[in-house]
Amino acid sequence: SQQGEEDPQALSIQEGENATMNCSYKTSINNLQWYRQNSGRGLVHLILIRSNEREKHSGRLRVTLDTSKKSSSLLITASRAADTASYFCATDREAGGTSYGKLTFGQGTILTVHP
Amino acid sequence: KAGVTQTPRYLIKTRGQQVTLSCSPISGHRSVSWYQQTPGQGLQFLFEYFSETQRNKGNFPGRFSGRQFSNSRSEMNVSTLELGDSALYLCASSLLLGFSVDTQYFGPGTRLTVL
Repeated sequence: SQQGEEDPQALSIQEGENATMNCSYKTSINNLQWYRQNSGRGLVHLILIRSNEREKHSGRLRVTLDTSKKSSSLLITASRAADTASYFCATDREAGGTSYGKLTFGQGTILTVHP
Repeated sequence: KAGVTQTPRYLIKTRGQQVTLSCSPISGHRSVSWYQQTPGQGLQFLFEYFSETQRNKGNFPGRFSGRQFSNSRSEMNVSTLELGDSALYLCASSLLLGFSVDTQYFGPGTRLTVL
């Protein structure tokens, strides 16, 4: 079952624009992570935000977390064609508590950045 | 440090056969998780190993099995292959510093095609 649900499912923008992706989840979490996947390859870790954090930055990435709404957003500023990829949020808990070694992923947002 | 490696990268099998996939985690990482990714189901957790013990298992039939060796390398096996087993199989390793699921580092995946 998918814990996280990303929105939108697909996003198409021009280079230089900002891209915002949202993720909602169902249970309480210890942390939430964002990953990127290029065209059927392995996932690349982007950022981890813990449940007691509200915002985190890494380069052009900004992640927010609202545990009261059980939602997170990923903002990519000044996007580049190389940012074209699928983006996934993943949570570390499910109903019943922490689940060893298991991340639960959403369906992902497909981002296309046009040169 | 070298990243997570998976072998083979591509595999073509026929129904009824069995297959073994291999994963070498990042040096020092003792937790190895496996995921199956398909267009229809997305990323689904298979199982997690830590110190040669399977600590968690996803909702997959018994045809899917795995093991971990003393050097933390892991293998997964799928017996009696079905067409629906065609997928990208991803391995991820983690330091697992605490009780929550820490950052997972993914390999490039093994693309399995069942004919």
